[in-house]
Formats: sequence, C-alpha cells, structure tokens
Amino acid sequence: EVQLMESGGDLVKPGQSLRLSCTASGFTFGDYDISWFRQAPGKGLEWIGFITSKTYGERSQYAASVKGRFAFSRDDSKNVAHLQINSLNTEDTAVYYCTRGGRYELFDYWGQGSLVTVSS
Amino acid sequence: QAVVTQEPSLTVSPGGTVTLTCGSSTGAVTSGHYPYWFQQKPGQAPRTLIYHASNKHSWTPARFSGSLLGGKTALTLSGAQPEDEAEYYCLLFYNDIWVLGGGTKLTVL
Repeated sequence: EVQLMESGGDLVKPGQSLRLSCTASGFTFGDYDISWFRQAPGKGLEWIGFITSKTYGERSQYAASVKGRFAFSRDDSKNVAHLQINSLNTEDTAVYYCTRGGRYELFDYWGQGSLVTVSS
Repeated sequence: QAVVTQEPSLTVSPGGTVTLTCGSSTGAVTSGHYPYWFQQKPGQAPRTLIYHASNKHSWTPARFSGSLLGGKTALTLSGAQPEDEAEYYCLLFYNDIWVLGGGTKLTVL
C-alpha cells in the first residue's frame, strides 16, 4: 500500500527555519517525483514545487511565492523527502502536504499533512 | 503568472448532475496543461480524482468524469451523493510550473 507521511511541523517564531519530512512506503521511492503543497487556515491549496527523481537529475522547481526561501531535498536510501523553509513568516502558517508525482509522473497519493504555525 | 479560475460555489441536488469548470487566463485549456482535479473534504487531505483532463484513478467513483469543454476543463458529477459535498480544485501546468484554481465549494442539497 502506497503511503506518504509528513512530519516536522511545529510552532516556530518569525525568522526561524524548519525542515519538514515526507516519509514514503509501499513503492520504489527513487522512481518518483515528490511534490509539495500547502494550505493556509481557511484558504485554498497552493502548489509549492517539486523535486524530480534521480533519473531526471533530482531537479527542483518552486513556485514564485516561495523561491529563494524554500529548498527541496531527498534521500532515496531512506525513502524520505525534505522541505527546508527558511526565514519563516506568519504567511507561511499552513498545513503542508507532500504528494507522489508532479513533473514526470502522475499526481496520485497524498500525505495527511503537517501543520506549521509561525507566531511570536 | 497565469490565473486559473473556478466557480467559487455550486449547489447540486442529491441524484442530480453538476459540471464544474476551470479556465485559464492565458487562453484555452488544452491537453498540454495536463489538467487535474482534486477533491478535499473538511479536515481531510486532498484526493486526486482526475488526471490529464479525463483519466480516473482506481479510487475515483464512476460518477465523476472529466473533459475538455469549450476552452475549459470540466469535472462532471452525475448522480450526486451527499458524500460528494467538498471543495474541488483544478490544477494546470504551464512550462514547468503548476497553478491551482481557487477551488469550487460544492454543496449537495
């Protein structure tokens, strides 16, 4: 069974950094892109970006709204992808979701989300 | 950046049919935008219903269908059930970037 699980969400202060993880199981993790979305409280979904598989160079692409502060990485040996968020501000408060696919593979499975709250 | 537009809200009667649409500020939506439709119920993670305009995943109920229609992409629900009440999001691809619509809140009433 394909599963994705986000972790690392926390209450943090403005200006701090945070790293979220997306741990996968039930499939060959290294064969797939991993994408990230977020959803601020009471708002719609926002696409953040993706990281491709090693086959496609582990290339990352970001939405304009997060470029420069967000960074994707992955460790295929541990079946995990990471989202590093720097210089957090209150507008980053959201539930963050990872999904399988996004550039060269289909979007299909989603994680359950991880809540990041930025507040002083 | 392109803007993807959806109806903010729609209502359908139980057993009825409703079509949600998704348009692009850059012009007609085509297969080259690889349209997706996601369903999200309150308090839950989104779920992928439709990919590449008209293809269903194994978990997609048969009453949902997708299409390209009149320059837009559309999600049609035939035989609405109470459990279909949810927010529906459209996603379109533009030169290595994905853009989401604002979502359609579908009420089954």
